[in-house]
Parts: sequence; C-alpha cells; structure tokens
Amino acid sequence: EVQLLESGGGLVQPGGSLRLSCAASGFTFSGYAMAWVRQAPGKGLEWVSTISDNGGNTYYADSVKGRFTISRDSSRNTLFLQMNSLRDEDTAVYYCANQIATSGRRRLDSWGQGTLVTVSS
Amino acid sequence: DIQMTQSPSSLSASVGDRVTITCRASQGINIYLAWFQQKPGKAPKSLIYAASSLQSGVPSRFSGSGSGTEFTLTISSLQPEDFATYYCQQYNTYPPTFGGGTKVEIK
Repeated sequence: EVQLLESGGGLVQPGGSLRLSCAASGFTFSGYAMAWVRQAPGKGLEWVSTISDNGGNTYYADSVKGRFTISRDSSRNTLFLQMNSLRDEDTAVYYCANQIATSGRRRLDSWGQGTLVTVSS
Repeated sequence: DIQMTQSPSSLSASVGDRVTITCRASQGINIYLAWFQQKPGKAPKSLIYAASSLQSGVPSRFSGSGSGTEFTLTISSLQPEDFATYYCQQYNTYPPTFGGGTKVEIK
C-alpha cells in the first residue's frame, strides 16, 4: 500500500523559511516523479512543483519560482520542499503526491494527508 | 497557462440521482485530464485519469468522457459517500492546472 507522510509544517513569520518532508513507502520511490500541491484555506488546489524520478528535472509554479526548491533523497525515500521568503499567500495545506508517467505526461496518483503551513506575524 | 473551468460550482442532488459535472479547457489538452474527489479535511483522491480511465478501486458508477477541450464526470447513481468536492486537472502541459471545483451537496 502506498503511503506518503508529510511533516515540517507550522507557523512562520513572513520572510521566514520552512522545510517540508514527505516520507514515502509502499512503492519504488526512485521510479516515480513526485509533486507538491497546495490548498489555501477554503480554496481550490494549486500545483506547486514537480521533480523527475532521478531528480534531474524540476518544475515550479510561477508563484513560487525562485523562492521554493524541490529535492529528493532516494536513499531515504523522502521528498523535500525548501520554502524561503515566505509570504502570507503561501499559507496552505501542502500535499505531496507521486506521479505516474505515460506518453510523456505525468499524472498525480496517490496523495499524502497534508501538512499545514501558516505564514503570519 | 491553460485555464480549467468547471460547471456548476455547486449542485444539490439526492441519493440515486445521476450527476454530471463539466470541465472545459481554454485550449486543447488531448485526453490528459484527471478527476479528483475531496472530502472535508481529507486529501484529494484520484478517480479518473486520461479522461476516461477509472482508477483502481473506484466504483464503476463513476465515469469520465471527453477529449480536446470538453470533458465530463458522471456519477450514475449518487451514493451517500459521494457527497464531496470534485476537481478536474489537466496534465497535458506545464504548469498543471486545476478547475475551481464542484461541491456536490445533499438535497
């Protein structure tokens, strides 16, 4: 059974930093692209970032480009999101998800339970 | 970026009703469209991918159709556990984008 367990969320002041982790189990982590998706309180879903299976390619939403960095450690089956220069509008539940690639496209498959990031002074 | 527009944004229905949700893309996305179900306080769950492929373990009352710019999610006979918010998402091009969601409520 696929399990994705996020951690690292919390309260941080504007301009601060936070590092999210996602521990993966139940599938061959190194064979899957991984993604972060967020959801602001009472709002819809927003894709944040994707990293390829080997970590060689990364993609970011314009809203976080230059401030967030996605990475992975396949020896620990763990996905990370380093978030710097945080803004009020980054307040959200952050989900990690694995992605399945077909025909050169990656679809979101299994999701973690999410971790809440609150940016506030 | 590709804009995804869902309609309606909310609907009220009774157990046993047939429910259809529409998703329109601002440009063609072939069949690279997924549907997700989200219940309050829970993570989204994948229902359908590639417009019409049912995710393993999802009941057959859920079905998807469409290609290009017009897609539909149909629940053939609404069950109590189906009351939730549904999102479409295109994954044809970066950035992947979601529709605004359709909240299915009890009539």
